[in-house]
Amino acid sequence: EPEVTQTPSHQVTQMGQEVILRCVPISNHLYFYWYRQILGQKVEFLVSFYNNEISEKSEIFDDQFSVERPDGSNFTLKIRSTKLEDSAMYFCASSGTGLVSGDQPQHFGDGTRLSIL
Amino acid sequence: AQKITQTQPGMFVQEKEAVTLDCTYDTSDPSYGLFWYKQPSSGEMIFLIYQGSYDQQNATEGRYSLNFQKARKSANLVISASQLGDSAMYFCAMREVSGGYNKLIFGAGTRLAVHP
Repeated sequence: EPEVTQTPSHQVTQMGQEVILRCVPISNHLYFYWYRQILGQKVEFLVSFYNNEISEKSEIFDDQFSVERPDGSNFTLKIRSTKLEDSAMYFCASSGTGLVSGDQPQHFGDGTRLSIL
Repeated sequence: AQKITQTQPGMFVQEKEAVTLDCTYDTSDPSYGLFWYKQPSSGEMIFLIYQGSYDQQNATEGRYSLNFQKARKSANLVISASQLGDSAMYFCAMREVSGGYNKLIFGAGTRLAVHP
């Protein structure tokens, strides 16, 4: 069964450094997402991406964050200057083989655990 | 106001018994979708089951079924014949369809422990 792939599984970074989290969504999906989960807390939406542009973003997704689909397969989340509070599990998800995706679940990757020192 | 409420921070069940995990939601959108995800201790998020707001029948997927009560705005997950491998965190999530937005809003989760 096709799956969403995320790399790396664990990233340790010094505060203030840039980090790029990588995702390969399911190949025929059109909608891509990033979520994060701070340890012990609920999963929070960060950003959704469709047709090569951001379709929605949360208040968490400030100027320090950016997303990119540099080629036909990868979808990346960049944090420009990491802070201690960016430490979390970051999940990539994809969904939707058509314009209406309400009945199609978002399939999540296994996540990248980001630790900021 | 909370959009998704899971009132049970923790539940336990005996192996082979059925268990119900509660989820209530709040939306004024007539078109929405409800999802359940399982998160084992290893951390990944596994899609379990989906219920659309216009679906006439309750969704079922193997041992998982969704008790959808639209008037009460509840979408409880029922796991039948519990197995030790069902021990995990379970999240209820909602997608509001109006405006074309696809983001999922998650509840706080319920930790299920299955005892032998």
